[in-house]
Amino acid sequence: SQQGEEDPQALSIQEGENATMNCSYKTSINNLQWYRQNSGRGLVHLILIRSNEREKHSGRLRVTLDTSKKSSSLLITASRAADTASYFCATSGGSNYKLTFGKGTLLTVNP
Amino acid sequence: KAGVTQTPRYLIKTRGQQVTLSCSPISGHRSVSWYQQTPGQGLQFLFEYFSETQRNKGNFPGRFSGRQFSNSRSEMNVSTLELGDSALYLCASSSQGGVYNEQFFGPGTRLTVL
Repeated sequence: SQQGEEDPQALSIQEGENATMNCSYKTSINNLQWYRQNSGRGLVHLILIRSNEREKHSGRLRVTLDTSKKSSSLLITASRAADTASYFCATSGGSNYKLTFGKGTLLTVNP
Repeated sequence: KAGVTQTPRYLIKTRGQQVTLSCSPISGHRSVSWYQQTPGQGLQFLFEYFSETQRNKGNFPGRFSGRQFSNSRSEMNVSTLELGDSALYLCASSSQGGVYNEQFFGPGTRLTVL
């Protein structure tokens, strides 16, 4: 079963606008990762945030983590048409070695 | 460094056949994981290997199996294919596979079962 749940399921914005996607999960985690997938291709790793971190930045990406609410958000600033893709959060927890993915947010950036 | 490579990229099989997919991790990475992606179930974990040992397995039937070689390359096998096995199969590698390591994915193998 999926642990992460992204919200919204789909998001459509204009180029230059910011895009915010949220992820909620159910059990305690060691870290949370965000990935991008273009049209049924491989997943591209965007950013990893550890359970003891609250915020992380990478270029135009900003990720926050609130372990008390079991939620994370991904902010993409100044969106470009090339950012059009599905975005997934994935969690790992306990002593296992797997990632548990949400169903993803489909982001469409209109030129 | 070269990324994760998967072969073949596309595969068409018929029900009852078996298939073997291959994954070469990033050089130096010792952990390889496999995931199945379908429109209905999303991304689901199949298994993870580290130094030729399976460390974790997802909730898939025994028809799904895998192995890892001494050079860290991995294969997964699906026997007695069913229509529902049609999916994108993704392989990921990480340096140690521990809970604090990023996993890097290959482009996937798109399997179609007719």
